[in-house]
Amino acid sequence: DAEITQSPRHKITETGRQVTLACHQTWNHNNMFWYRQDLGHGLRLIHYSYGVQDTNKGEVSDGYSVSRSNTEDLPLTLESAASSQTSVYFCASSELAGEQFFGPGTRLTVL
Amino acid sequence: GENVEQHPSTLSVQEGDSAVIKCTYSDSASNYFPWYKQELGKRPQLIIDIRSNVGEKKDQRIAVTLNKTAKHFSLHITETQPEDSAVYFCAATWGGGFKTIFGAGTRLFVKA
Repeated sequence: DAEITQSPRHKITETGRQVTLACHQTWNHNNMFWYRQDLGHGLRLIHYSYGVQDTNKGEVSDGYSVSRSNTEDLPLTLESAASSQTSVYFCASSELAGEQFFGPGTRLTVL
Repeated sequence: GENVEQHPSTLSVQEGDSAVIKCTYSDSASNYFPWYKQELGKRPQLIIDIRSNVGEKKDQRIAVTLNKTAKHFSLHITETQPEDSAVYFCAATWGGGFKTIFGAGTRLFVKA
């Protein structure tokens, strides 16, 4: 069965370190998205991609970057982790303007 | 700017009652409006969606209505059950594309 996975599921890091969160989907979807979820803010869009070599900034992109070298993967990098980036991160994928399939989430703590 | 407002933030109902969650959006180009349910510790999952060429859609106990003129859409859950307890998110696509903006969520409690 097709799926979308994220790794790691939990991560603790220190302020200033570079962190990369992985997202892998086997739906063969062109669209991929990264969100962060914080209490009271719902799901806020960080970056998104409509296909290989395409990346776009979302609502809260400062301090984050993504790259899309193939259809299956969209890794999210925190260049220099800050305590304000402690959150739960969800990756999602979709085909056209339709249902987004979410990964299980990564809980990131920045100390 | 890009915004989807969702109300109420918390909703408590008695089992068997109906629940209504309302959302408004600001982009007239929005054409896809999904609703997601997120149980505690789980990932969001689509429960129903509606496109801009339709005014209402129903799936068993769940229905969604869309008023494009008012830029307003709502989720209706009838005959609520304890397993309906979760956080519900509305969302809207943006700029005529696939980018999706989510509301802040509604925490629904269904009391047995």
